[in-house]
Order: sequence, then C-alpha cells, then structure tokens
Amino acid sequence: EDKVVQSPLSLVVHEGDTVTLNCSYEVTNFRSLLWYKQEKKAPTFLFMLTSSGIEKKSGRLSSILDKKELFSILNITATQTGDSAIYLCAVDIEIKAAGNKLTFGGGTRVLVKP
Amino acid sequence: EPEVTQTPSHQVTQMGQEVILRCVPISNHLYFYWYRQILGQKVEFLVSFYNNEISEKSEIFDDQFSVERPDGSNFTLKIRSTKLEDSAMYFCASTVGDEQYFGPGTRLTVT
Repeated sequence: EDKVVQSPLSLVVHEGDTVTLNCSYEVTNFRSLLWYKQEKKAPTFLFMLTSSGIEKKSGRLSSILDKKELFSILNITATQTGDSAIYLCAVDIEIKAAGNKLTFGGGTRVLVKP
Repeated sequence: EPEVTQTPSHQVTQMGQEVILRCVPISNHLYFYWYRQILGQKVEFLVSFYNNEISEKSEIFDDQFSVERPDGSNFTLKIRSTKLEDSAMYFCASTVGDEQYFGPGTRLTVT
C-alpha cells in the first residue's frame, strides 16, 4: 500500500524563525513529489520535485528530494504570520492506463506567532 | 490566471438523497480528478478521469459514486444515496500532466 508520512504533525514558531518540514514515502510507480499549502480550503501548489538533490526555491521557501532515502524536506526561512497553514506533501503515482493520482500525507500544521 | 471552479461551495442534504457536485476544470487540461477530505483527516483520492472514462478509482469510490463529463467543460461527481459518512470537503483537480490544480472545494454536509 502506498504511504506518505509527514512530520512533525504541528509546530508553533515565532516570526523570523526557520522551519523544516519532513515528508517520507513508500510508493510504487513514483512520478514526482509535490508540496501544497492549505489555508482555508483548496491546496495551493508550491513545488514539484522529480530529481534527487536539486533544490527548488521560491522566495523564502525551498525544497529538496532524496529518491534514495525516499524523503523530501520543505524549508521556510524568516517565517511570517502569513505562512501559518497546513503544509501537505503528496506523491504523484503513475496509473496503469493513463494519468496519475496523488497520495497525500497527513499534513503539518504550522502556526507562526507575531 | 485560469483556475478550477466548483459549485456549489456548500451543499446540505439529507441521508439517502442524491447529490451532484460540479466542477469546471481548466480549459486545456486533459486529466480530471476528484478528492475528498473528511474534517481533520487526509486528502484522499477518489477517482481520475481521462479521455471520457475512469482511469483509476479508489476503494472509497463504490457503486454509489459516478463521474461524468456531460459536455466540453463540466465534470461532475454524483453520489446516488448519501450517507452520513459522505460528509466531507470534495475537491476537483485538473492537469495537463504535471502538477494538479485544485478547485476551491464543495463542502458536503449530510444530515
């Protein structure tokens, strides 16, 4: 059974702190790993990672994938209150005939206090 | 920027009733999906749809569920006879093959 596990479940930090979120996975037919931010409703896309060791960066957020050890991390530096959200890790799995599906982890709830 | 839209945003229904949740995927996308998220739980895959047929479905997607693309734009999820445990947020997503873009969701409450 495909499995995606995120840690920690939640964390509370103060503005300016750096946070590191973890995602480990065990799946068949891996295509890519994605990070999403979920505030009130729909997950919004952050990163897609397909290759090991190549860091993706967007502003204060960065992410890297290790396909040998089967994990990814998401870093947020100089956190702001607007970073408060649930961060979801999902693994994109190839489907037999066509297309793909996402298997999600349980998420990490991040609360950034002023 | 193009986006996935869903209607209604909130649907309240009685147990045993049929509901249809509607989605308009991004126009040039080819693959369509439904996911659900029960309050406080993980986002779970329900079904994927490509070339006018289901390409994959999860164990959750039993005979009570069906999907349809009745015209060139809408993508619907029908639940034939709703149960209390169907109460959840239902997300539609679409893609051309890379990252999936999610709609804002429909909150379904079954009473």
